[in-house]
Amino acid sequence: DTGVSQNPRHKITKRGQNVTFRCDPISEHNRLYWYRQTLGQGPEFLTYFQNEAQLEKSRLLSDRFSAERPKGSFSTLEIQRTEQGDSAMYLCASRPDRSYVSDTEAFFGQGTRLTVV
Amino acid sequence: AQKVTQAQTEISVVEKEDVTLDCVYETRDTTYYLFWYKQPPSGELVFLIRRNSFDEQNEISGRYSWNFQKSTSSFNFTITASQVVDSAVYFCALHLTSGTYKYIFGTGTRLKVLA
Repeated sequence: DTGVSQNPRHKITKRGQNVTFRCDPISEHNRLYWYRQTLGQGPEFLTYFQNEAQLEKSRLLSDRFSAERPKGSFSTLEIQRTEQGDSAMYLCASRPDRSYVSDTEAFFGQGTRLTVV
Repeated sequence: AQKVTQAQTEISVVEKEDVTLDCVYETRDTTYYLFWYKQPPSGELVFLIRRNSFDEQNEISGRYSWNFQKSTSSFNFTITASQVVDSAVYFCALHLTSGTYKYIFGTGTRLKVLA
């Protein structure tokens, strides 16, 4: 098991273009999270999936953002009509769907750094 | 409202010194979990330690130890005999068991360990 994998690692795009990021969680991890992190700040929650169901969305997730998790495996995060304010690190995390105390932490990928020029 | 505050923006220590990172949290829930994560320059958040709200016993794991006090809503993290490889940004996080699935992070503390 290689951990949470995110692609691409870096993306530079022109303002107004659409971008899509992919996240492959640790296998058998039912729960998947997307976070955004700007320079000098902590990660901010964007959205949460349990299997293929998107159960929670942050107000940060404007209409230009959409996330999917078809078949409950990998997930994609798409940003349409990118703006310079979208420049950030986009982090994906996963965790198993068990209630044991020892399984409550989320495991993060290395992130996709988006730069909108 | 739920919130995590890390008042220390940046800390610099000399190698082999002990260092404590502060974390104060806010929640009205009685059941929750607290975590510390490390973010090295590579960007990946690495899980370090967890504590649930029912267990205030403080523990030591290698060079890491933590002090959880519900009375003051604090979850402080100590690195003993710091090493240069400990240089990173450290985040405290809060996870509730109802009402929301998300992890709530503080703004992080940048630790610089000087040789």
